[in-house]
Amino acid sequence: GAGVSQSPRYKVTKRGQDVALRCDPISGHVSLYWYRQALGQGPEFLTYFNYEAQQDKSGLPNDRFSAERPEGSISTLTIQRTEQRDSAMYRCASSLVFGIHEQYFGPGTRLTVT
Amino acid sequence: DAKTTQPTSMDCAEGRAANLPCNHSTISGNEYVYWYRQIHSQGPQYIIHGLKNNETNEMASLIITEDRKSSTLILPHATLRDTAVYYCIVRVRDTNAGKSTFGDGTTLTVKP
Repeated sequence: GAGVSQSPRYKVTKRGQDVALRCDPISGHVSLYWYRQALGQGPEFLTYFNYEAQQDKSGLPNDRFSAERPEGSISTLTIQRTEQRDSAMYRCASSLVFGIHEQYFGPGTRLTVT
Repeated sequence: DAKTTQPTSMDCAEGRAANLPCNHSTISGNEYVYWYRQIHSQGPQYIIHGLKNNETNEMASLIITEDRKSSTLILPHATLRDTAVYYCIVRVRDTNAGKSTFGDGTTLTVKP
């Protein structure tokens, strides 16, 4: 079956612009997670949802970052007023049931802020 | 979550067993050990998890010491395609178990 998909796969934006990154989880998966990954490092947790409820957003770096999952399926991670330090790979993952840690990751969105 | 410690890198000869260690000396009774791997620029891939018993699946075996303070992921016959970064994570399995800390993992290089 279809895995987790993310779009766009690559995004280049100018400093100060807003960007929206989309994640489409595996159909029927209850939980959805966002991570950020710098080159050579492991994924860094940002936030996660059970259904449409955002359960933990402690990993969001600052208030320029926000995420939503209004219908409990597709999620959008929005970064306002982008800065060069926001450049990274942004990864989305989903899991079938909350509390179960077997997460399935998407291919990621490579964000470059110039 | 309990902190995990892994070697930065390891090499293994193709066809031999790869044994990847992980220390988690502060693990608590309700925390599971999970392993993921990340090949090149792909997203991390779930491998296996366990609580206290040894586990085996089609990808690997997980050996957890009796005191649960360390574990070893075993790839029985490593191939070149097993070259990847391997992450050991310790996490509870409950409804609030969303946040995950991956660390920097072990880079396994399988050599011909």
